[in-house]
Amino acid sequence: GAVVSQHPSRVICKSGTSVKIECRSLDFQATTMFWYRQFPKQSLMLMATSNEGSKATYEQGVEKDKFLINHASLTLSTLTVTSAHPEDSSFYICSANLAGAPQGGHEQFFGPGTRLTVL
Amino acid sequence: DAKTTQPPSMDCAEGRAANLPCNHSTISGNEYVYWYRQIHSQGPQYIIHGLKNNETNEMASLIITEDRKSSTLILPHATLRDTAVYYCIVRVVGAGNNRKLIWGLGTSLAVNP
Repeated sequence: GAVVSQHPSRVICKSGTSVKIECRSLDFQATTMFWYRQFPKQSLMLMATSNEGSKATYEQGVEKDKFLINHASLTLSTLTVTSAHPEDSSFYICSANLAGAPQGGHEQFFGPGTRLTVL
Repeated sequence: DAKTTQPPSMDCAEGRAANLPCNHSTISGNEYVYWYRQIHSQGPQYIIHGLKNNETNEMASLIITEDRKSSTLILPHATLRDTAVYYCIVRVVGAGNNRKLIWGLGTSLAVNP
């Protein structure tokens, strides 16, 4: 149980195009999803927190107009990288919080990641 | 900013116990300590978490000091497949009461045959 999928797993695009990445909780409902970015040999950096039905909360330094997040349902959140440039090339990872998890229980489950390469 | 510090790398012989230390001296009373690991180019895998008591599951044991300023993850019998980057993380409560994981740099564990 508690499986999170991401699609696509890998994408290569030309500079200036937009790329959409989907994050789905397959067998549970997630009121909160998180989007991370990871550059080579670095740790995960939280980009934004997404709550179903409301606007995402972005971390300091993350451009909300460039990284559009939509969390329209309890099982799906999308990240759109608009007008992508080579410096946006990275490993994007989502996670989802199990709705109704008991206090103190493990609640955050991660997807397998999406490798974005912008040429 | 990360609330944890870990050694950048460690080695362990296959079949031996791997003990991975973590310092979190600024942890608050209601903040949990989580451990995840990441194998190259994959999503993080949950290992274990705790608040103040020691915890054990099928993967590992978590030993938290009484003052909660440090902890140790123990893999009792390391195998080659345990080679990964291990992250010790403090879960904080952010804006909107969202519980967030603040990631540090992790420890790269190499299990050697």
